[in-house]
Amino acid sequence: AQSVTQLGSHVSVSEGALVLLRCNYSSSVPPYLFWYVQYPNQGLQLLLKYTTGATLVKGINGFEAEFKKSETSFHLTKPSAHMSDAAEYFCAVSNSGGYQKVTFGTGTKLQVIP
Amino acid sequence: EAGVVQSPRYKIIEKKQPVAFWCNPISGHNTLYWYRQNLGQGPELLIRYENEEAVDDSQLPKDRFSAERLKGVDSTLKIQPAELGDSAVYLCASSLGRGQTYTEAFFGQGTRLTVV
Repeated sequence: AQSVTQLGSHVSVSEGALVLLRCNYSSSVPPYLFWYVQYPNQGLQLLLKYTTGATLVKGINGFEAEFKKSETSFHLTKPSAHMSDAAEYFCAVSNSGGYQKVTFGTGTKLQVIP
Repeated sequence: EAGVVQSPRYKIIEKKQPVAFWCNPISGHNTLYWYRQNLGQGPELLIRYENEEAVDDSQLPKDRFSAERLKGVDSTLKIQPAELGDSAVYLCASSLGRGQTYTEAFFGQGTRLTVV
């Protein structure tokens, strides 16, 4: 079984401030981890993913995330928030072998204050 | 190249009526997914196809939901009859699908269903 917990359904940051969105996962096997972004009335777009190798993963739009096995975490960060980053962000987990069923978290809505 | 195309974008129906959603995946993508996203929640998988075969439909409420993917390309998801609780966004996604190798899933814009 696998699951994802996103801490904070809403996060507000000032423009230019650090963005930190938290994600903890549970998986009985080595996981693959993902962050997706969803803009209003749009589908989901992959921001970044961790499968194997380097634990610090860089994605699009200046976002990055670090896989920490000891903490079962995969937090998403961005050094400086832009107004265009306002959206909903979903953390997701899948198994690393066989059929990769992806389980999504409940999402964190990011508000960027000018 | 066109992405995953879904239609309609919005649908309002009365309860007990049937409804159908259509999805055209990215050309060459063997794997197709239907997800349901309730308000304030993450997407939940309803069914996954590998070509024309439904390989995971364990979360599909089979008493009222059905899906098909003829010729392994386009797919249709149907609800009959619809209930108030079916109001949600229905997302279609596709990926190349290469066995155990991870391949990124690309999502359509979704169909927002409102049952009144």
